[in-house]
Amino acid sequence: DTGVSQNPRHKITKRGQNVTFRCDPISEHNRLYWYRQTLGQGPEFLTYFQNEAQLEKSRLLSDRFSAERPKGSFSTLEIQRTEQGDSAMYLCASSPVGEQFFGPGTRLTVL
Amino acid sequence: AQRVTQPEKLLSVFKGAPVELKCNYSYSGSPELFWYVQYSRQRLQLLLRHISRESIKGFTADLNKGETSFHLKKPFAQEEDSAMYYCALRGAAGNKLTFGGGTRVLVKP
Repeated sequence: DTGVSQNPRHKITKRGQNVTFRCDPISEHNRLYWYRQTLGQGPEFLTYFQNEAQLEKSRLLSDRFSAERPKGSFSTLEIQRTEQGDSAMYLCASSPVGEQFFGPGTRLTVL
Repeated sequence: AQRVTQPEKLLSVFKGAPVELKCNYSYSGSPELFWYVQYSRQRLQLLLRHISRESIKGFTADLNKGETSFHLKKPFAQEEDSAMYYCALRGAAGNKLTFGGGTRVLVKP
């Protein structure tokens, strides 16, 4: 499969724990995006990288959230001190220019 | 600010009937509009974009700047069209997509 991959696909954690998700984009894509989707809603933009530079962050991305793309390839999204409101599907997408290709998502459940 | 509204959460139609999914947007400049589709147990994928002006799987969408709409239409729905459909907007200077809340389409036999 040469598409965008995300790991893990599911994560269950207890409130207050830290979690980290990984996204591997399509190899030649220099742009990478993170979105969050809650039940019954469309995806909401969180942050965007061009190569290793984080160029835009949504105000949804509180200081408990941090994203990195250290070598301009894969990216990680970390949530510290998780809260029940963080329960959602976290989607990653990549693009060259134009169309964004989405991964399958990581479903986070915070108990 | 940019905003996308899909007023229908659910559309239920019979096979062979026409289907129209409404999408209205709010944006002060010249946006790019997209329709994304998510079939059961599959990832979100692009269906069509307004700049390409093409028909994909029998679907078409026309950007109406006067009415700030980008409705998706298909004259004869098929059972395999059952899915979640999301309208999305990208601003002229940006890269992020702003999505609507989605419309679930159910095509009954």
